[in-house]
Amino acid sequence: DGGITQSPKYLFRKEGQNVTLSCEQNLNHDAMYWYRQDPGQGLRLIYYSQIVNDFQKGDIAEGYSVSREKKESFPLTVTSAQKNPTAFYLCASSIPPDGNTIYFGEGSWLTVV
Amino acid sequence: AQSVTQLDSQVPVFEEAPVELRCNYSSSVSVYLFWYVQYPNQGLQLLLKYLSGSTLVKGINGFEAEFNKSQTSFHLRKPSVHISDTAEYFCAVRLTSYDKVIFGPGTSLSVIP
Repeated sequence: DGGITQSPKYLFRKEGQNVTLSCEQNLNHDAMYWYRQDPGQGLRLIYYSQIVNDFQKGDIAEGYSVSREKKESFPLTVTSAQKNPTAFYLCASSIPPDGNTIYFGEGSWLTVV
Repeated sequence: AQSVTQLDSQVPVFEEAPVELRCNYSSSVSVYLFWYVQYPNQGLQLLLKYLSGSTLVKGINGFEAEFNKSQTSFHLRKPSVHISDTAEYFCAVRLTSYDKVIFGPGTSLSVIP
């Protein structure tokens, strides 16, 4: 079945360590996104990419990095510079320019201790 | 800048009663409008969307929403809720000329048996 796969579902890391969240899609979508979700704050856009080898910062990009070397993959690295990384991270994809529907993965919980 | 307001953070409602979840947006240009639902520890699923045409939009699971341009609102309604409708609901807007989607803070719907 087509969809978006995020891994791992749950991840624990020590403060000061970088961690990479995986996102793979087999929907043949050009655009991919990373959102962060905190209670009561909805979803905030971290990074997005509309084509391979190109990506743009979202509203809260500081402390995060991404790459888009393949159409189907958009990994997110949470660096030690991110001051409060514990959150639920959601990867999504769509087809621009008419990407009216964004499809989401199941999310990854990151807990930094 | 665009923004989305969901006026109620929590909405409790008895089973089989009607419900309305409110959404208002601010934008100086035309937008596309969406409602997504999120069940615990899962990603978001599209309930319905307004792109153009009829201002009354029907979605999945018996939900519908009405676009009101003069009031910049896109309220979600269901005439009779079920226990299974208990979830977080997000309103979202997308600029017609960009691929960036902005989400509201969410409304937690609790259906009481």
